[in-house]
Amino acid sequence: AQSVTQLGSHVSVSEGALVLLRCNYSSSVPPYLFWYVQYPNQGLQLLLKYTTGATLVKGINGFEAEFKKSETSFHLTKPSAHMSDAAEYFCAVKAAGNKLTFGGGTRVLVKP
Amino acid sequence: DTAVSQTPKYLVTQMGNDKSIKCEQNLGHDTMYWYKQDSKKFLKIMFSYNNKELIINETVPNRFSPKSPDKAHLNLHINSLELGDSAVYFCASSQAGARVNTEAFFGQGTRLTVV
Repeated sequence: AQSVTQLGSHVSVSEGALVLLRCNYSSSVPPYLFWYVQYPNQGLQLLLKYTTGATLVKGINGFEAEFKKSETSFHLTKPSAHMSDAAEYFCAVKAAGNKLTFGGGTRVLVKP
Repeated sequence: DTAVSQTPKYLVTQMGNDKSIKCEQNLGHDTMYWYKQDSKKFLKIMFSYNNKELIINETVPNRFSPKSPDKAHLNLHINSLELGDSAVYFCASSQAGARVNTEAFFGQGTRLTVV
């Protein structure tokens, strides 16, 4: 079985501040991990993914995430928040078969 | 060209009606999915097809019936709609294979409102 937990359903940051979104996963086999972003009234767009190799993964829009096997975590960060980063962010895991399992999502609010 | 397209984008209907949502992907992927996103934004997989064959069927009422006429299309038919079916339904596609490290590509969603 596989599962994903995102800590914090809402995160509020000031423009220019660090964005940190937490994701922990559970998987019985080595997982593939993903972060998606959803803007209002839109579908999900891939930010980045971890498969194998380098544990620090860079994605689009200045986001990056680090896979830590010992902590079963895949936290997402961005050094400096922009107003356009306001959206819903989803962590997801694919471990067995082709099933992509999502966390509950974290809504990011960016204050001017 | 839109990679994964769903129609309609919005659907308002009365309880008890039957409705369909259509999905098409032009990415050449072998696997397609239906996800349901509830009012709290929680995303849950409903079905997955690989080359027209049903491979994932989560605990979904029998009123929901997916149909895949070919690997580029996956439609969702819902019978006897209920208020609780109101949600956003997303279609997605990806390459097949249990260990293939590919992401899923999502459509824009269909917002279903049952009144």
